[in-house]
Amino acid sequence: QKEVEQNSGPLSVPEGAIASLNCTYSDRGSQSFFWYRQYSGKSPELIMFIYSNGDKEDGRFTAQLNKASQYVSLLIRDSQPSDSATYLCAADNSGGSNYKLTFGKGTLLTVNP
Amino acid sequence: KAGVTQTPRYLIKTRGQQVTLSCSPISGHRSVSWYQQTPGQGLQFLFEYFSETQRNKGNFPGRFSGRQFSNSRSEMNVSTLELGDSALYLCASSPFVTGASNEQFFGPGTRLTVL
Repeated sequence: QKEVEQNSGPLSVPEGAIASLNCTYSDRGSQSFFWYRQYSGKSPELIMFIYSNGDKEDGRFTAQLNKASQYVSLLIRDSQPSDSATYLCAADNSGGSNYKLTFGKGTLLTVNP
Repeated sequence: KAGVTQTPRYLIKTRGQQVTLSCSPISGHRSVSWYQQTPGQGLQFLFEYFSETQRNKGNFPGRFSGRQFSNSRSEMNVSTLELGDSALYLCASSPFVTGASNEQFFGPGTRLTVL
C-alpha cells in the first residue's frame, strides 16, 4: 500500500512567521507532488506542484522536494491568519499505468494574529 | 467560467439503500475524478472518467461505480450502502486525463450520511 504521511498537527504559528509543513511518501516511482489547501467546510484547491529536486517558489509559498529522502515540504513565509487551513500533500504514481494521486491526511495549520 | 458543480450537496440514506451522485465539470473539461474524504482515511481516489471511459481506478469495492456522459457530466453510484460509506464525496475536473501537469479543480462535494 503506497502511502503519503503528514504530521496531522495542529501546527500553530504566529502571524508573520514561517510555517513549515512536511510530507513523506513511500512510492519511489512517484514523480510529481502536489500541495492542496482546504479551508474548513470547503473543497481542496491546488497551491502548487513540484516534480524536480530542489525548491520551487510561488509568492509566499516554497515547495521543496528531495527524492532521495522521499520528502516533500511546503514553506509559507509571512504567514497570515487567512492561511489557516488544512494542507494536503499528494504524490502521483507516474510509474504505473493506472494514474492516480495518493493524498496524505493533511496538516491543520493555525496562524495566530 | 462556472466551476465544478455537484448535486445534491447533502444526502441522508439508510443502510442497504443505493445512492447516485452527480458532477458537472468545468465547461470544456473532459476528465472527471471522484474522491471520498473521511476524517479517518483522508482523501481517497475512487476513479477517473475521460471521454465516457473509466481510465483509472482506486481501491474501492465494486459497490462503487460510475459513468460519464457525452457532455462530460459524471455520476457515481454506491449500492448496498454501509455505515462506513458516510463521507464527503468530491469530484474534480481537468481538461485532459489526469497527469502530472494537469491541475484538478474540485467541486464543493456531496455530504453523504448513512444511518
